[in-house]
Amino acid sequence: DQQVKQNSPSLSVQEGRISILNCDYTNSMFDYFLWYKKYPAEGPTFLISISSIKDKNEDGRFTVFLNKSAKHLSLHIVPSQPGDSAVYFCAASGRNSGNTPLVFGKGTRLSVIA
Amino acid sequence: GAVVSQHPSRVICKSGTSVKIECRSLDFQATTMFWYRQFPKQSLMLMATSNEGSKATYEQGVEKDKFLINHASLTLSTLTVTSAHPEDSSFYICSARDFTSKAGMQPREQFFGPGTRLTVL
Repeated sequence: DQQVKQNSPSLSVQEGRISILNCDYTNSMFDYFLWYKKYPAEGPTFLISISSIKDKNEDGRFTVFLNKSAKHLSLHIVPSQPGDSAVYFCAASGRNSGNTPLVFGKGTRLSVIA
Repeated sequence: GAVVSQHPSRVICKSGTSVKIECRSLDFQATTMFWYRQFPKQSLMLMATSNEGSKATYEQGVEKDKFLINHASLTLSTLTVTSAHPEDSSFYICSARDFTSKAGMQPREQFFGPGTRLTVL
């Protein structure tokens, strides 16, 4: 059973517009969430994170929103740029996760069209 | 962020040979490293968790005798694909996480290597 779900495998957005990538989770023990960006033939790179004590974290063009009651988070990119075209992975971690890896979603491929 | 390197970045081998992939944490000590395989259609599949000085923990369905993992030091983990076959062709990515307290680093973040493209002919 997938604990972290990214239900949209792909998303296309016009350059300059807002990109919204969604992620849902089922495990209420998760308290830390991350977004990673991945280009083809490269490893994922960390983008932004949020702790469950917050509902928003902003870093430049990237903002992550967390709705704990809905077990939902989203990544907003505005304005979107062609270089943002990549696969975005949502990941989660629990408070007592020990030496366990982050739990990843299956990813959403974002295409920003010039 | 912290840097994780992988070597080689690309390898082509004949069926039946063994291939070793190295993963190094360059500026931090990685008590735990993870090995992933990326399948077509983008998903990352966790293969195993490698703990320094102890045996690796393999995910269900991953053959431990086929994918040998050694984490001999705090900065190096190796994945050996033994008797490789064409179906083992994939993109392998390692990741490291430093669970010790360190200023400026998110303890629950994972840092990924650049990946290794394995092609078995």
